[in-house]
Amino acid sequence: RKEVEQDPGPFNVPEGATVAFNCTYSNSASQSFFWYRQDCRKEPKLLMSVYSSGNEDGRFTAQLNRASQYISLLIRDSKLSDSATYLCVVNTGANNLFFGTGTRLTVIP
Amino acid sequence: DAGVIQSPRHEVTEMGQEVTLRCKPISGHDYLFWYRQTMMRGLELLIYFNNNVPIDDSGMPEDRFSAKMPNASFSTLKIQPSEPRDSAVYFCASSFGGYGSTDTQYFGPGTRLTVL
Repeated sequence: RKEVEQDPGPFNVPEGATVAFNCTYSNSASQSFFWYRQDCRKEPKLLMSVYSSGNEDGRFTAQLNRASQYISLLIRDSKLSDSATYLCVVNTGANNLFFGTGTRLTVIP
Repeated sequence: DAGVIQSPRHEVTEMGQEVTLRCKPISGHDYLFWYRQTMMRGLELLIYFNNNVPIDDSGMPEDRFSAKMPNASFSTLKIQPSEPRDSAVYFCASSFGGYGSTDTQYFGPGTRLTVL
């Protein structure tokens, strides 16, 4: 079983829509969680960390459910510039970062 | 800040040739990571260094791959001999060790390797 699993998509949504991605992880001892964003033919960049209580950054909301071992990312009022691949990342400790294969989002005008 | 620098950005070579990828981490970062990304397998950690010392190389696919970090500002990933299945984008990333900040990794632009 993979350490981190994501629905690869693609998710095609109209501008202004709300879209949510989920990601599951297998190691219950995982310590920290992140969402990275990767544009086409570019490097991954940290979008936001995911805290136990959930956290929000503008139109983006991340949540963690330790009991069910999943994290989520909600994007409200989607913009064309949100089109990218979103990578779920889990740290199982000692710099062991596991990346999901990514969920591709396309926001349509 | 120049960010993580990688060279070359693109490399096309023939099977059996030696390939050397280079990385300069962000100044002051004491962790350096090498990743490989393919469509099928996503982003995979190959090896990482802490203070120039290799800590975990369990992700290195086989003996054809080797990595070095002779000093805090330079690392290489070498493939010898290269094979077509090594074709991928290779990313180098660095991070600053310390409580609360270890996890944020900054990626270089990647080297797109094609082995014919």
